[in-house]
Amino acid sequence: AQTVTQSQPEMSVQEAETVTLSCTYDTSENNYYLFWYKQPPSRQMILVIRQEAYKQQNATENRFSVNFQKAAKSFSLKISDSQLGDTAMYFCAFMKPVGFGNEKLTFGTGTRLTIIP
Amino acid sequence: NAGVTQTPKFQVLKTGQSMTLQCAQDMNHEYMSWYRQDPGMGLRLIHYSVGAGITDQGEVPNGYNVSRSTTEDFPLRLLSAAPSQTSVYFCASSARTGEYSNQPQHFGDGTRLSIL
Repeated sequence: AQTVTQSQPEMSVQEAETVTLSCTYDTSENNYYLFWYKQPPSRQMILVIRQEAYKQQNATENRFSVNFQKAAKSFSLKISDSQLGDTAMYFCAFMKPVGFGNEKLTFGTGTRLTIIP
Repeated sequence: NAGVTQTPKFQVLKTGQSMTLQCAQDMNHEYMSWYRQDPGMGLRLIHYSVGAGITDQGEVPNGYNVSRSTTEDFPLRLLSAAPSQTSVYFCASSARTGEYSNQPQHFGDGTRLSIL
């Protein structure tokens, strides 16, 4: 079974600064997908960024980027030029490849990020 | 597009009562699933379905029932509510797009359920 660990329950950073959220995972699979989801106070689950394990290049979406270290099973999220709207709970999630019965996410316990004005 | 729609948004039940949480998606997605979110525990998979007529258990299935009679709908039933089932429930759906590609799961807005 896969496990996902987020070791930082809470973090805070000044507006416009850069922050990195950590995530490690454990799996015996070689091909898989990793995601970061954002959950603001509105409770919605919003996909921030995704990474395919077979791709060596780190994914980037505007101010959000990841540092994917497959051998170390590490998947950190970097938020640059942080904004007040980035205040949210962030979840790291793991998904096995597409296949019968494999379409399910394993989540970490989350990191509560607060952006300070 | 409506995406994934969950009803109700809030519900309070008494111990022993039964109820059904509704989930509908209009994206013709094959895969649908139910998660519960508890403080400090992230989201945990309750049940999932890979297509109409096919369901299976996730990580925490006890006390819950599901069925998938249509592609669009995936209701979650609490047979006899218990205080331990107080949680926020999320429904999600996704489409299979190829052998090694995958769509991220689309989530509903959640149902906050309190069992007294």
